[in-house]
Amino acid sequence: AQTVTQSQPEMSVQEAETVTLSCTYDTSENNYYLFWYKQPPSRQMILVIRQEAYKQQNATENRFSVNFQKAAKSFSLKISDSQLGDTAMYFCAFMKPITTSGTYKYIFGTGTRLKVLA
Amino acid sequence: NAGVTQTPKFQVLKTGQSMTLQCAQDMNHEYMSWYRQDPGMGLRLIHYSVGAGITDQGEVPNGYNVSRSTTEDFPLRLLSAAPSQTSVYFCASSPDPWNTEAFFGQGTRLTVV
Repeated sequence: AQTVTQSQPEMSVQEAETVTLSCTYDTSENNYYLFWYKQPPSRQMILVIRQEAYKQQNATENRFSVNFQKAAKSFSLKISDSQLGDTAMYFCAFMKPITTSGTYKYIFGTGTRLKVLA
Repeated sequence: NAGVTQTPKFQVLKTGQSMTLQCAQDMNHEYMSWYRQDPGMGLRLIHYSVGAGITDQGEVPNGYNVSRSTTEDFPLRLLSAAPSQTSVYFCASSPDPWNTEAFFGQGTRLTVV
């Protein structure tokens, strides 16, 4: 079974500090995509960053970067210079193929609630 | 630029009632999907559609029906609501389901009493 595990239900970080959210996944696929989504109190799901499994280089988007370890099946998110607006639930997600239909679907982790403290 | 629009945002149903959650997107996306979000369980796929006239089941389809008569609309129908269907429901769309960002609606919080 394909699974995504986020072992930190809640985390907090001081404003301007750096925080790392962990994510591990389990798959037998060789080619896939990984994502981090942010869900603020508004409930809107917002894409933060994505990583293609065939790329060795870690993805970065401004203050957000990932540490992708394919062999270890690990995909952590680092937030640098944390801001109050980063307070949200963060979901790690894995995109897998649905072989019966030739399409794909997300598998989401259970989320990490991050609070940035002033 | 509306993106993905879900209605209603909140709904309370009595057990056994039926209702339709609406989802519309104005981006001409082929791929649309419905998820439910429950505490401690992340998002789980209910149904999805790869284009008008084509739908398929996800992980948790029981108790839900969908149809896709147009590219823009992908309604989710609860046939006979049960308390176990209390959840937050998200509709998402993307140009295709691989290699692109999924655009999510703002969710519908449904309570079945």
